Amino acid sequence: AQSVTQLGSHVSVSEGALVLLRCNYSSSVPPYLFWYVQYPNQGLQLLLKYTSAATLVKGINGFEAEFKKSETSFHLTKPSAHMSDAAEYFCAVSGGNNNDMRFGAGTRLTVKP
Amino acid sequence: DVKVTQSSRYLVKRTGEKVFLECVQDMDHENMFWYRQDPGLGLRLIYFSYDVKMKEKGDIPEGYSVSREKKERFSLILESASTNQTSMYLCASSFVDARTFYGYTFGSGTRLTVV
Repeated sequence: AQSVTQLGSHVSVSEGALVLLRCNYSSSVPPYLFWYVQYPNQGLQLLLKYTSAATLVKGINGFEAEFKKSETSFHLTKPSAHMSDAAEYFCAVSGGNNNDMRFGAGTRLTVKP
Repeated sequence: DVKVTQSSRYLVKRTGEKVFLECVQDMDHENMFWYRQDPGLGLRLIYFSYDVKMKEKGDIPEGYSVSREKKERFSLILESASTNQTSMYLCASSFVDARTFYGYTFGSGTRLTVV
């Protein structure tokens, strides 16, 4: 079974500052890991995914995440926040079966001018 | 561009009404899913389908049913809407690949309010 924990339901950063959103996972099999972004009143859009290739994964909009097996983590980072990054971010884990994806509770990112 | 389309962005229904939420995907995906999203709870799986006329219960199926008569369409049905079903409903799809898993593609969501 898979599960994911996102640390911090709200994160606030200043424009231009580093963004760090934390995700820890639990999986009984080698995991597939995902970050999704959701803008207000919209669906989820895939930011990036880890599928057992490179441990440092680059996604859209300048985001990246690093898979650390020893820490069971998949934290999302962006060097310099932009106002347009304000959204809710979801981490998700799957064992590779098409019906076992599990999502975290989400982290709302606020970007201050 | 591949798409998952949910027929309504916003719906307001009365308690006791039968409600249909429609989802269509144009990617020939085998698997389709219905989630509800509530603040602080993330996404919770209601039902999924891995083939036409096939359905499986997710984590919170009570009060809901589904229909999949065609591969591209997956409908969520609230048999008798109640106020605790006020939520954002998200449809998603995925395909089967023996080599890897690509994750889900989501629709834009339907915000349902039951009054």
